[in-house]
Amino acid sequence: EAGVAQSPRYKIIEKRQSVAFWCNPISGHATLYWYQQILGQGPKLLIQFQNNGVVDDSQLPKDRFSAERLKGVDSTLKIQPAKLEDSAVYLCASRTGQPRGNTGELFFGEGSRLTVL
Amino acid sequence: DAKTTQPPSMDCAEGRAANLPCNHSTISGNEYVYWYRQIHSQGPQYIIHGLKNNETNEMASLIITEDRKSSTLILPHATLRDTAVYYCIVRVFAGAGSYQLTFGKGTKLSVIP
Repeated sequence: EAGVAQSPRYKIIEKRQSVAFWCNPISGHATLYWYQQILGQGPKLLIQFQNNGVVDDSQLPKDRFSAERLKGVDSTLKIQPAKLEDSAVYLCASRTGQPRGNTGELFFGEGSRLTVL
Repeated sequence: DAKTTQPPSMDCAEGRAANLPCNHSTISGNEYVYWYRQIHSQGPQYIIHGLKNNETNEMASLIITEDRKSSTLILPHATLRDTAVYYCIVRVFAGAGSYQLTFGKGTKLSVIP
């Protein structure tokens, strides 16, 4: 089965510019997560979707970050305007919503590496 | 905040067992312990999880103490490809029947030839 797809893999922008990252989760996975991973740290949850609704966005800096999952499948994470401290890898993960017969594991994409100059 | 404590780094000789400890002294009765690893430049990968009983799969074994305040991930025969950052995570419920994984800094395991 195809894994979680993310694009672009790499992006370099200047501060105050905008950027968008795209995620296509594994087919049928109802829950989607965006994580931010700064160099040397573990991934930090930004936002969690269940189908097309937001479950938790408490750690999303809403003055500059936005995310959507309009049809409950693909998702986009946007940063506008970017700051130097936004330099990080942005990871998308998905999992099935079915509680039985599965490990409940999250499947991660390879991430999108953002460098803000 | 992460609810787990792990050593920042460990070394293991190739072919030997790697034992990675994790403390989760504030874990609640219905919270699972998950282990993930992250190889350089890749997304985290699921390894194993457990609630009370010890668990084993094709990748590793998970030993959970009886009081559930700590656990150990065991890679029985470490190879160079097991060099990675290993995360011990307590799964917490996020409401609406869903849950989240909160990552700490993990343990960087270096397998040495």
